[in-house]
Amino acid sequence: ETGVTQTPRHLVMGMTNKKSLKCEQHLGHNAMYWYKQSAKKPLELMFVYSLEERVENNSVPSRFSPECPNSSHLFLHLHTLQPEDSALYLCASSQDQGTNTEAFFGQGTRLTVV
Amino acid sequence: GQNIDQPTEMTATEGAIVQINCTYQTSGFNGLFWYQQHAGEAPTFLSYNVLDGLEEKGRFSSFLSRSKGYSYLLLKELQMKDSASYLCAPLDSWGKLQFGAGTQVVVTP
Repeated sequence: ETGVTQTPRHLVMGMTNKKSLKCEQHLGHNAMYWYKQSAKKPLELMFVYSLEERVENNSVPSRFSPECPNSSHLFLHLHTLQPEDSALYLCASSQDQGTNTEAFFGQGTRLTVV
Repeated sequence: GQNIDQPTEMTATEGAIVQINCTYQTSGFNGLFWYQQHAGEAPTFLSYNVLDGLEEKGRFSSFLSRSKGYSYLLLKELQMKDSASYLCAPLDSWGKLQFGAGTQVVVTP
């Protein structure tokens, strides 16, 4: 248990569906992140939020839309996804963005797009 | 751009020592993390180096040479539960944590 909780753990969705991934942390951290982990590939940083403001968007397609309503919650809204978007989506948090404090990861959402 | 290289897989027997090397090129440098990830689980923090030298933490040690863009993670007295993927992650000067593809360590009896 890392203190970062992600739901759902598994998600299967069609290419025309709309779904949302949820991440929650009660560690008092100020920074939250979304990463994508595909098989045999490095973790890819998608979005960074610091104090509820987006500070990084790594050229992610617009079919992925993040939302950070408060410092404890982070969402990733999904719509019209492609099969190649199937991956493990990991949420992480750290005390502050860009410092030497470790990131704590959630268990991830295993997404399959059919 | 970012470039992080580490071996894809390493196999060792219980009780042995394994050294996982990582070379990196980043836009500036603000330290390097090592994470452990068991299959189907979240990555968990192992170590952080920002100065040159060796940091020891129980059976695990991590070494950094900033001038060479090089780090290694040393796992001693291997146990079966150490079978996992080990991720090298340098932090660049923009505060972005970049990950290598990971080294799958297989511990055999």
